Amino acid sequence: DTEVTQTPKHLVMGMTNKKSLKCEQHMGHRAMYWYKQKAKKPPELMFVYSYEKLSINESVPSRFSPECPNSSLLNLHLHALQPEDSALYLCASSQAWTNSGTDTQYFGPGTRLTVL
Amino acid sequence: AQSVTQPDIHITVSEGASLELRCNYSYGATPYLFWYVQSPGQGLQLLLKYFSGDTLVQGIKGFEAEFKRSQSSFNLRKPSVHWSDAAEYFCAVVFSSGAGNNRKLIWGLGTSLAVNP
Repeated sequence: DTEVTQTPKHLVMGMTNKKSLKCEQHMGHRAMYWYKQKAKKPPELMFVYSYEKLSINESVPSRFSPECPNSSLLNLHLHALQPEDSALYLCASSQAWTNSGTDTQYFGPGTRLTVL
Repeated sequence: AQSVTQPDIHITVSEGASLELRCNYSYGATPYLFWYVQSPGQGLQLLLKYFSGDTLVQGIKGFEAEFKRSQSSFNLRKPSVHWSDAAEYFCAVVFSSGAGNNRKLIWGLGTSLAVNP
């Protein structure tokens, strides 16, 4: 089973709202990722968690706040977003985050976020 | 800087025709190579990957890819395309140069495949 689930599928929020995106995997993976993807573009890495600790933050604005409550769950808390933050937000997981280069990432279906 | 190039932004083929999508990467450390497919409004699905060994790799949905080190290429092929193959295809590479951000997936810009009935 290589399934990563994400909720909600769609989210519309105003610029003053606070919302959260959720991601879950039950593959025993110890690395989890958040990506942002604009239409017709490749995904852009935002955050990497390894063993529930933040390993990579790609200079993401503080209005995006990740959280990894346990090894199966990854959240992305959203606050005071801008219209340009509208995008598909993808979660991924891999067995680990190592130097080997062979950590295959498995992606969820994404959350389509629209900021009004 | 290390990079991945997908020279074809958009390709249209007829159903039943053969397909080849090109992917080239910048020369450097040993690459680990991936092809992902994304149907409209969907997440990314791994088609296949190459780490080492046999340079012809079989994937899901009847796809295969061949790693050619001399040409820095990892082209994706399918002998007979189905209408359901219409999607965006991304080539991605990890260059095994070690720690930190060098372990990130580096993505091509994608090739959009349309299939004519």
